[in-house]
Amino acid sequence: QVQLVQSGAEVKKPGASVKVSCKASGYRFSSYYIHWVRQAPGQGLEWMGVSSPSGGGTAYAQKFQGRVTMTGDTSTSTVYMELSSLTSEDTAVYYCARVGQWVSAGGFYDYWGQGTVVTVSS
Amino acid sequence: DIVMTQSPDSLAVSLGERATINCQSSQSVLHTSNNKNYLAWYQQKPGQPPKLLFYWASTRVSGVPDRFSGSGSGTDFTLTISSLQAEDVAVYFCQQYHSSPPWTFGQGTKVEVK
Repeated sequence: QVQLVQSGAEVKKPGASVKVSCKASGYRFSSYYIHWVRQAPGQGLEWMGVSSPSGGGTAYAQKFQGRVTMTGDTSTSTVYMELSSLTSEDTAVYYCARVGQWVSAGGFYDYWGQGTVVTVSS
Repeated sequence: DIVMTQSPDSLAVSLGERATINCQSSQSVLHTSNNKNYLAWYQQKPGQPPKLLFYWASTRVSGVPDRFSGSGSGTDFTLTISSLQAEDVAVYFCQQYHSSPPWTFGQGTKVEVK
């Protein structure tokens, strides 16, 4: 069965960086894009970006341009999201989510990771 | 960017009664080439990731109870729960995935039991 398993919770100081992983299993990794979506406490869902599963192009939300890097490792079926220059505004649950359409960069999300809590505090 | 606006922000419905959630997009999410609306609905319960309920606006995901229905086209969409059950208490989000990024979500609608 399809699974996306994310790395554990992180606590970071302002100005630091965080790298969250998302390991996929149960399907052909290179055939489905994975996006990153975050949710601040008590808030809605915010799209952050996407990277090609085969290591091709990326697309990031303008809000995170210059501060986020999304990569993938086909040998381990894992995608990574690194966010730098953290502030308290980055405190949120970070989700990876698989696009439900074969080889489509955009689309609806049929599988989600369990979420990674990132807390930014001095 | 396409802005998604849901209404209401919250609603309280008696068990067994109908719940209706609206979602409006700032531009059409209908692709005329294939006549599909690029609109999805998700359900999120506390402490859980969102769960996909519908895609293409009205295609129900396998396993989703048929008391849930999705409808609409162009810029106006509706998620209806025909007979609210206790397990339906959650926050519901719409999402557009039309054309290029960013792919955006509505702000969410919280459904509670009256």
